[in-house]
Amino acid sequence: QKEVEQNSGPLSVPEGAIASLNCTYSDRGSQSFFWYRQYSGKSPELIMSIYSNGDKEDGRFTAQLNKASQYVSLLIRDSQPSDSATYLCAVNKDSGYALNFGKGTSLLVTP
Amino acid sequence: NAGVTQTPKFRILKIGQSMTLQCTQDMNHNYMYWYRQDPGMGLKLIYYSVGAGITDKGEVPNGYNVSRSTTEDFPLRLELAAPSQTSVYFCASSPRNYEQYFGPGTRLTVT
Repeated sequence: QKEVEQNSGPLSVPEGAIASLNCTYSDRGSQSFFWYRQYSGKSPELIMSIYSNGDKEDGRFTAQLNKASQYVSLLIRDSQPSDSATYLCAVNKDSGYALNFGKGTSLLVTP
Repeated sequence: NAGVTQTPKFRILKIGQSMTLQCTQDMNHNYMYWYRQDPGMGLKLIYYSVGAGITDKGEVPNGYNVSRSTTEDFPLRLELAAPSQTSVYFCASSPRNYEQYFGPGTRLTVT
């Protein structure tokens, strides 16, 4: 079983819509969860972190965590063409200091 | 703050050559990481360090070496380059809460 799984996409949404990105993880001991945005040819950029069950909102972004279901999601409201990128889900390893990254979901926001 | 800087941005190596990828951070983070990212394969951890003088292997350490003599610098050494090491290499740093901040990357081609 892969440690962090994401649909590769592409996920296509029209401008102004809500984009919903999902991630599941296998390590029940994980406590820290992150979403990174990566534009083509660029490095990953941290956009959200979440540590407890429930929702965390930051501007147009909402991260949702359900540890019982081992599920993390990212909602992007009022999607803009500039949101078109690959979104990486990352989860801390139960032991050590490293993160497990998913392969990412490609998001395309069409005008 | 410059954040995490990496040099060089691009490099072409011949099979069997060696080189050092440089990484420097000015955020006084104790934790530093080296990843490689191959197309469609996600980020793979090569080595990481939890402080000056302390390093440990990640998922894919073979063919690489690291050192950490200062808090700021974490160079990655490639010995006897092979075509399988063609990749994009990212350095990252982190404070204690796992939030990792990435450098701009080095695109390496081994021919």
